[in-house]
Amino acid sequence: NAGVTQTPKFQVLKTGQSMTLQCAQDMNHNSMYWYRQDPGMGLRLIYYSASEGTTDKGEVPNGYNVSRLNKREFSLRLESAAPSQTSVYFCASSENRGRETQYFGPGTRLLVL
Amino acid sequence: SQQGEEDPQALSIQEGENATMNCSYKTSINNLQWYRQNSGRGLVHLILIRSNEREKHSGRLRVTLDTSKKSSSLLITASRAADTASYFCATYSGNAGNMLTFGGGTRLMVKP
Repeated sequence: NAGVTQTPKFQVLKTGQSMTLQCAQDMNHNSMYWYRQDPGMGLRLIYYSASEGTTDKGEVPNGYNVSRLNKREFSLRLESAAPSQTSVYFCASSENRGRETQYFGPGTRLLVL
Repeated sequence: SQQGEEDPQALSIQEGENATMNCSYKTSINNLQWYRQNSGRGLVHLILIRSNEREKHSGRLRVTLDTSKKSSSLLITASRAADTASYFCATYSGNAGNMLTFGGGTRLMVKP
């Protein structure tokens, strides 16, 4: 089992460019999450998907969109990147609701110039 | 906003010593979880303690929960250089959708 995988590992964008971060899990989990981690801070939830076909906003959703493509895959899209979106992005999954253990991917480091 | 706040923000100890990290939170919780993050890596789950539990052990880890004080502590006994990492507490309240809320973390350095 690969667990939670994320692509790309690192990306540099110019302000205004768009990109999609990909996430996949092979644990048959129902719930998936996107977080961002900024220096000196914990993780902040951007969006989550409690189950296939549903998505909900987290704490910091502005500037992002998500797609739960199927049970395995949950993508995060930046339509017009801004320097404030420079961060490390983590995808996570859990068997069911958020009260359970979450399993994290290795992260995507994004730099917006 | 962060629900959990870890204390201290940074901790440096010698190998073999014990390391204690504290987490305080603001609202009632369903459970509290501790995660570890090695530099440049994703988070790894360490232990989950439910609101009706007071203490939990896992190997060299001991977690306590005091719901009256809205606080938890993580004790790592007989620390090793490989324990060097950041440690985060995360709380699940059960009334905010499906959200785990993470604290800012404690950076632990264990010197050989």
